[in-house]
Amino acid sequence: SQQGEEDPQALSIQEGENATMNCSYKTSINNLQWYRQNSGRGLVHLILIRSNEREKHSGRLRVTLDTSKKSSSLLITASRAADTASYFCATDYGNNRLAFGKGNQVVVIP
Amino acid sequence: DAGVIQSPRHEVTEMGQEVTLRCKPISGHDYLFWYRQTMMRGLELLIYFNNNVPIDDSGMPEDRFSAKMPNASFSTLKIQPSEPRDSAVYFCASSFGRGVSTGELFFGEGSRLTVL
Repeated sequence: SQQGEEDPQALSIQEGENATMNCSYKTSINNLQWYRQNSGRGLVHLILIRSNEREKHSGRLRVTLDTSKKSSSLLITASRAADTASYFCATDYGNNRLAFGKGNQVVVIP
Repeated sequence: DAGVIQSPRHEVTEMGQEVTLRCKPISGHDYLFWYRQTMMRGLELLIYFNNNVPIDDSGMPEDRFSAKMPNASFSTLKIQPSEPRDSAVYFCASSFGRGVSTGELFFGEGSRLTVL
């Protein structure tokens, strides 16, 4: 099925370091979204980047989109223990639904 | 707004029993989605509604699953009869339609179902 695939699946970093996650997809998209999920909770929207955008910032988050490579990256700068969570990319293929990847588990060690 | 509200948060039931999960979307949102999350398969879209009308139920695993949205503020997902392989976390999400693009989804906290 068409869906985003994140890479790597698990990441463990020290507080203050940057965390980078990648996502690839298969066909053209309207937009790509990143979500965070804390353990035992629902997903929370972080950022949306449209197909005609290349980079977007929100606080300590930076998202890039390369439509030629069909890939996106999420960078969390100056990570904090509270950033420990699973991060999902979701692709909008224009059929009013999002296809979610399997998620990246990020552990930030204080 | 209180966000998307799901109930129950946890449900443990025996195989063969009927399970009903409930969802109250955010007021004003015209799209409602039901997802299922498992370790093996990740997040799967089961069904979604637009203006209370089911648009795509191709993700519903089998006839044991059914979903309704009788009005703009309430939806149910029913499993009858339940089986152990239905054990998962079921999420409801709502959004405000933006034409051909899918906007930001607001998720509930999920209903964790365990079928023994």
